[in-house]
Amino acid sequence: QQQVKQSPQSLIVQKGGISIINCAYENTAFDYFPWYQQFPGKGPALLIAIRPDVSEKKEGRFTISFNKSAKQFSLHIMDSQPGDSATYFCAASIDNNDMRFGAGTRLTVKP
Amino acid sequence: NAGVTQTPKFQVLKTGQSMTLQCAQDMNHEYMSWYRQDPGMGLRLIHYSVGAGITDQGEVPNGYNVSRSTTEDFPLRLLSAAPSQTSVYFCASRERFSSPLHFGNGTRLTVT
Repeated sequence: QQQVKQSPQSLIVQKGGISIINCAYENTAFDYFPWYQQFPGKGPALLIAIRPDVSEKKEGRFTISFNKSAKQFSLHIMDSQPGDSATYFCAASIDNNDMRFGAGTRLTVKP
Repeated sequence: NAGVTQTPKFQVLKTGQSMTLQCAQDMNHEYMSWYRQDPGMGLRLIHYSVGAGITDQGEVPNGYNVSRSTTEDFPLRLLSAAPSQTSVYFCASRERFSSPLHFGNGTRLTVT
């Protein structure tokens, strides 16, 4: 049973639109929540990460929103571009060792 | 810097064969790990190491062995391959406790 549940499985957004990917977790001991971006044929690369002591973190067009009481966090991509088309994974870990990943969301941004 | 290098890129095995997936990093990272990626399952941690001589099990360790004799290398061994081990395998490393994971480009393994 996956400890991190991610939705949706796939997402199609028009260029300039907002992409939103959601994740939920069960283990309240998780203390590190990163998002990774993966292009075909490549390994995942860190996009942005948050710790549970803050509710939001923004880096450029990418924002993580974190709701500790609901045990949910989400990735928002503003002004989505075709170059953002990739698979996105949320993850959670304790002490950044045993990282648990969501199932992934395939994002397609149409020009 | 090459980062994290995985070899081979592709491999086909017959059931029962053994093989070693190689992983090397040139960033002097203490932490290294192996993941497998399957459709609809995300990435699942197989084994990890926090330094030379130290390894630990992750979420799906059965059927896999690891050892860490040097900081640079972290090979993953399949002793008797099974079709259920058909997957894409990723090796990753990181520098410090709060640092991001650096992934290799993966090894696609097919077991027939």
